[in-house]
Amino acid sequence: DSGVTQTPKHLITATGQRVTLRCSPRSGDLSVYWYQQSLDQGLQFLIQYYNGEERAKGNILERFSAQQFPDLHSELNLSSLELGDSALYFCASSVAGADQPQHFGDGTRLSIL
Amino acid sequence: SQQGEEDPQALSIQEGENATMNCSYKTSINNLQWYRQNSGRGLVHLILIRSNEREKHSGRLRVTLDTSKKSSSLLITASRAADTASYFCATDWSQKLVFGQGTRLTINP
Repeated sequence: DSGVTQTPKHLITATGQRVTLRCSPRSGDLSVYWYQQSLDQGLQFLIQYYNGEERAKGNILERFSAQQFPDLHSELNLSSLELGDSALYFCASSVAGADQPQHFGDGTRLSIL
Repeated sequence: SQQGEEDPQALSIQEGENATMNCSYKTSINNLQWYRQNSGRGLVHLILIRSNEREKHSGRLRVTLDTSKKSSSLLITASRAADTASYFCATDWSQKLVFGQGTRLTINP
């Protein structure tokens, strides 16, 4: 058990809809990272928050947004969903920055119909 | 792209044999990490090796780093069926962790 909790585990929705994925980091970790994993793109870094502030940004679409709350949990919001957004979305946490081991949740599998 | 590339893409060996996976990257790094992913699960951190280190061990795992060749290798000794998984290298670049495409390792009983 990594200590990182992601909900929901599975999400099925339709094109054009909006969903929110939730992540609770491991106790004591200040950084939260979001990744998208698909067969064709592999594991892609989306965004990192550190203690409530955005720290680094990757290939995150404008339709996607995230935030980290004062209790350090994080949410990833995906809107105007397209078929190509179907993927596994992982949250990871670490004590501080990307130079340290990251602890991954088991992901949210998003299916767009 | 800074993305690491693992080689081979897939590896199938008999239980008890050693498995070696390689990773190459393109720019200078502070550290390189290896992760394992079982099917449908999150990634699990295995080992982190810093740019000033050449070799690191953890149980049956041995990681080497050659910064002059911009490459790393992961050796799993005395493989077990439970080692069946995908293995990824990841490099830190511009405050991000960039993952390769992974090596799919299958251990046959």
